[in-house]
Amino acid sequence: QQQVKQSPQSLIVQKGGISIINCAYENTAFDYFPWYQQFPGKGPALLIAIRPDVSEKKEGRFTISFNKSAKQFSLHIMDSQPGDSATYFCAASMDDYQLIWGAGTKLIIKP
Amino acid sequence: DTAVSQTPKYLVTQMGNDKSIKCEQNLGHDTMYWYKQDSKKFLKIMFSYNNKELIINETVPNRFSPKSPDKAHLNLHINSLELGDSAVYFCASSQGGLDYEQYFGPGTRLTVT
Repeated sequence: QQQVKQSPQSLIVQKGGISIINCAYENTAFDYFPWYQQFPGKGPALLIAIRPDVSEKKEGRFTISFNKSAKQFSLHIMDSQPGDSATYFCAASMDDYQLIWGAGTKLIIKP
Repeated sequence: DTAVSQTPKYLVTQMGNDKSIKCEQNLGHDTMYWYKQDSKKFLKIMFSYNNKELIINETVPNRFSPKSPDKAHLNLHINSLELGDSAVYFCASSQGGLDYEQYFGPGTRLTVT
């Protein structure tokens, strides 16, 4: 019940296209859903996060869509650029201390 | 100004040795973490300290021991290193409260030969 399932494992998108990564959770006590971005050789960094009181949050080209009834949330990257090539992690939390992480998606944007 | 720093960045050592990785954060955060990232990029929480007190201790071999001398530092000591310990180890910190964001260090790539 603590798991966060992320898909796909890897994704190749043409430059200018839309990248979509999905996550699903079971524990309805989760109240914070972040996405982290990790470039090779670097630590993960927070990209965007959402709480379950809203269904969508947008920051620039990045949007989180949240479906509380389906217990799913997704990251959409509009107008994907080669610089977006990275590994993306979804996560969920219900307290101050512990994030439950998805397995990661390696995104490659082809020029 | 580096927010979360780790030393060393690379560590190559032989099986059976003991090694330490140091972590420091200058963000004034109360909570610090150690993660292990394997070759498939999976992030596994190992330990978490809040104000020098251990609050998360996942199933990790006893050979791994965290030490928090103060709120800004969380070191990881590993005894009797094994081949399977080869991974990238990340330190992170967070403020807690309503701000759940975790800030990660650059990672330490440990290779055990």
